[in-house]
Amino acid sequence: KAGVTQTPRYLIKTRGQQVTLSCSPISGHRSVSWYQQTPGQGLQFLFEYFSETQRNKGNFPGRFSGRQFSNSRSEMNVSTLELGDSALYLCASSHGTGEKGSYEQYFGPGTRLTVT
Amino acid sequence: GESVGLHLPTLSVQEGDNSIINCAYSNSASDYFIWYKQESGKGPQFIIDIRSNMDKRQGQRVTVLLNKTVKHLSLQIAATQPGDSAVYFCAETIRLILTGGGNKLTFGTGTQLKVEL
Repeated sequence: KAGVTQTPRYLIKTRGQQVTLSCSPISGHRSVSWYQQTPGQGLQFLFEYFSETQRNKGNFPGRFSGRQFSNSRSEMNVSTLELGDSALYLCASSHGTGEKGSYEQYFGPGTRLTVT
Repeated sequence: GESVGLHLPTLSVQEGDNSIINCAYSNSASDYFIWYKQESGKGPQFIIDIRSNMDKRQGQRVTVLLNKTVKHLSLQIAATQPGDSAVYFCAETIRLILTGGGNKLTFGTGTQLKVEL
């Protein structure tokens, strides 16, 4: 079956702008988690959405937000971009219900965001 | 999903040798651990997991060891192949979060594995 897809793959924005990234989970998966990957901080959890509701949240400022649609697709938005927001943004999907085998998260290829 | 960890520790091994990648985790409450492999241009890929009620778990060519006393994980790769070259991350979480609904992984900093021919 098709894997997790993320669009766009690459993005260049200017400081102060806002950006929206998209993630389509594996068919049947209801949980989508977002992570930020940078050389300095590594992989950090942003938030998780399940059934259109934010279920877990990491320690990121309110400029980072997300949402999930009824078809489980998710978007994350970053407003008022800062240079430090330059990173690889990864999304991961899973069943999210705690059933056997549903712990495993499947990652997409990521969106490389560069803020200039 | 390339990893751009400019400051990652690196492990270089000869093809055919065994590799051991280590990870120290931080939360003593964590009870579920996962190893991921990230190749250049791709997102992290699940390798193997282990629950805290186990000390060892084996997969195909991989073994994960867990030492809860010192909060240490290791990933052993047998007969390392060129295709194993990647960045390896350990991740930890609390299963209550998972079973109660939720996915929140805390990742280690990663180790770059380089396989020399």
